[in-house]
Amino acid sequence: AQRVTQPEKLLSVFKGAPVELKCNYSYSGSPELFWYVQYSRQRLQLLLRHISRESIKGFTADLNKGETSFHLKKPFAQEEDSAMYYCALKSMNNFNKFYFGSGTKLNVKP
Amino acid sequence: DTAVSQTPKYLVTQMGNDKSIKCEQNLGHDTMYWYKQDSKKFLKIMFSYNNKELIINETVPNRFSPKSPDKAHLNLHINSLELGDSAVYFCASSQGEDGYTFGSGTRLTVV
Repeated sequence: AQRVTQPEKLLSVFKGAPVELKCNYSYSGSPELFWYVQYSRQRLQLLLRHISRESIKGFTADLNKGETSFHLKKPFAQEEDSAMYYCALKSMNNFNKFYFGSGTKLNVKP
Repeated sequence: DTAVSQTPKYLVTQMGNDKSIKCEQNLGHDTMYWYKQDSKKFLKIMFSYNNKELIINETVPNRFSPKSPDKAHLNLHINSLELGDSAVYFCASSQGEDGYTFGSGTRLTVV
């Protein structure tokens, strides 16, 4: 069964510290993974997708099929990064249904 | 231009009432969705329509009924509202290999 796990509900770091938001998945097939971000009282926005292999706002994420992980990383956190982050898996077998993790709230302290 | 727009943004209503939330997308996407974000910020899919046809219907009470008059619109009607229905409801759309584009959400409060 498809599943996305984000083990940390809350992650607090100081400004300038490295950040890693964990995401693990289970999926029988080639997964397509995304990270979405939700700033306070705003809509969810696509942050990045693994097939693009790009860096957005300093964030990167590498798909590790061996560990079934798609952790989101940033070397130096900024206060404006404080938000909810959702990892999502797109099911190619189920009408593009997205499975979202439970979300991790990132709090970057000054 | 807003890509996915939902109305209203806020909705406060009493238990037992019937209410609707509207969603429109101008992206030309074929597929639209309704997600519920509960108080713990957990996102759960409720429905999905592809070209006006229902394709995903998760375990949602019958009081929730989606309606898609055309592929650009997916409305959510809720009958006999209960306290537990209080949440933020997000509409989204997608096309092909793209990710979702979300609306700004509707914060429903049932009192």
